[in-house]
Amino acid sequence: DGGITQSPKYLFRKEGQNVTLSCEQNLNHDAMYWYRQDPGQGLRLIYYSQIVNDFQKGDIAEGYSVSREKKESFPLTVTSAQKNPTAFYLCASRLRDSSTDTQYFGPGTRLTVL
Amino acid sequence: GIQVEQSPPDLILQEGANSTLRCNFSDSVNNLQWFHQNPWGQLINLFYIPSGTKQNGRLSATTVATERYSLLYISSSQTTDSGVYFCAVRTGANNLFFGTGTRLTVIP
Repeated sequence: DGGITQSPKYLFRKEGQNVTLSCEQNLNHDAMYWYRQDPGQGLRLIYYSQIVNDFQKGDIAEGYSVSREKKESFPLTVTSAQKNPTAFYLCASRLRDSSTDTQYFGPGTRLTVL
Repeated sequence: GIQVEQSPPDLILQEGANSTLRCNFSDSVNNLQWFHQNPWGQLINLFYIPSGTKQNGRLSATTVATERYSLLYISSSQTTDSGVYFCAVRTGANNLFFGTGTRLTVIP
């Protein structure tokens, strides 16, 4: 099955700890994205990567870091510098061709800071 | 950045009813997508529709780019249509800007 997988589904973190959220895709898409969603809100862009070994900050990158060593993988690290990390995190990849420009999303990771 | 406003914020329908969701945006766009977020959080792409009209089963969408709005029509609503519907736009940069969504509840 082609798609985007995220793990874990639920994650609990103590204050002061760094945690890494996994995102893997087998759609052969070049571009990948990380979004944060807070209750009752839309999605806000954290980081994006258009190609391997390259990534750019989004609107709310402070306290987060990413890497893109492989086309299939785009992990997100939530560092202790992120002041309010409890949220729903969504990973996406982008299909762009002559007929469409569409983002596809993984199932998300719910992060709770205890 | 671009402003994306969706209305209504909340909508409650009886099963079988029709509805229209609206998305207004403040600048020219080269990409507009509609998504459905189910109660478990999964976002499903419904339409890529920067302009014109598309239909997919009971759902259809129209974007009037010159007037900076898009409409999503849901006909003969079902309980499985419940969730949050998001409009998202791109203005030429790489960022996709999301509205705050319309929460739809379909009651049997």
